[in-house]
Amino acid sequence: DVKVTQSSRYLVKRTGEKVFLECVQDMDHENMFWYRQDPGLGLRLIYFSYDVKMKEKGDIPEGYSVSREKKERFSLILESASTNQTSMYLCASSSRAPNTEAFFGQGTRLTVV
Amino acid sequence: GENVEQHPSTLSVQEGDSAVIKCTYSDSASNYFPWYKQELGKRPQLIIDIRSNVGEKKDQRIAVTLNKTAKHFSLHITETQPEDSAVYFCAARRRTGGFKTIFGAGTRLFVKA
Repeated sequence: DVKVTQSSRYLVKRTGEKVFLECVQDMDHENMFWYRQDPGLGLRLIYFSYDVKMKEKGDIPEGYSVSREKKERFSLILESASTNQTSMYLCASSSRAPNTEAFFGQGTRLTVV
Repeated sequence: GENVEQHPSTLSVQEGDSAVIKCTYSDSASNYFPWYKQELGKRPQLIIDIRSNVGEKKDQRIAVTLNKTAKHFSLHITETQPEDSAVYFCAARRRTGGFKTIFGAGTRLFVKA
């Protein structure tokens, strides 16, 4: 059974804190993604990585950074959390093989107060 | 930049009726088009996908069509059932450049019994 696991299901942080969201996959996938999900806006791509130590900006990278030191782990970092970063964060991974689906983690609901 | 537009944002049908969700993509490098279903409180999961060299694909009550020239693709659900109620996302994945996957904003489908 494929597994993408996010470290926390719910998280409450204060404005200005540095926040780490962790994602681990056990499928040996090359590609990993971070999305945020907001009502009416769907899934918006923050960052993605297609190899260890490689990263590319998605559509809304401002206020975020990522780290991919190992193939199975992709971390999303909020350098200084703000209330407008309150959202559901979804990690996903996929194989580099063509025409293959992405598998999602269960999501982390982050609230910044 | 690349984007995927999805319509309608909300769809309500009577049980047994058909439901159609439409998407348009802008990135001509896209060659893989998955559809995901997200039930309340759960992660998105793939329900059907289509490649750019195929015009139509069917899996029981679900079918997807692709018009590559017009950059349109659609999801068709026939004989809808209450358990089809969920949010549906279309997506477009490019064949190069890290296999970036862009999602539509989602369609909330209600199937009334």
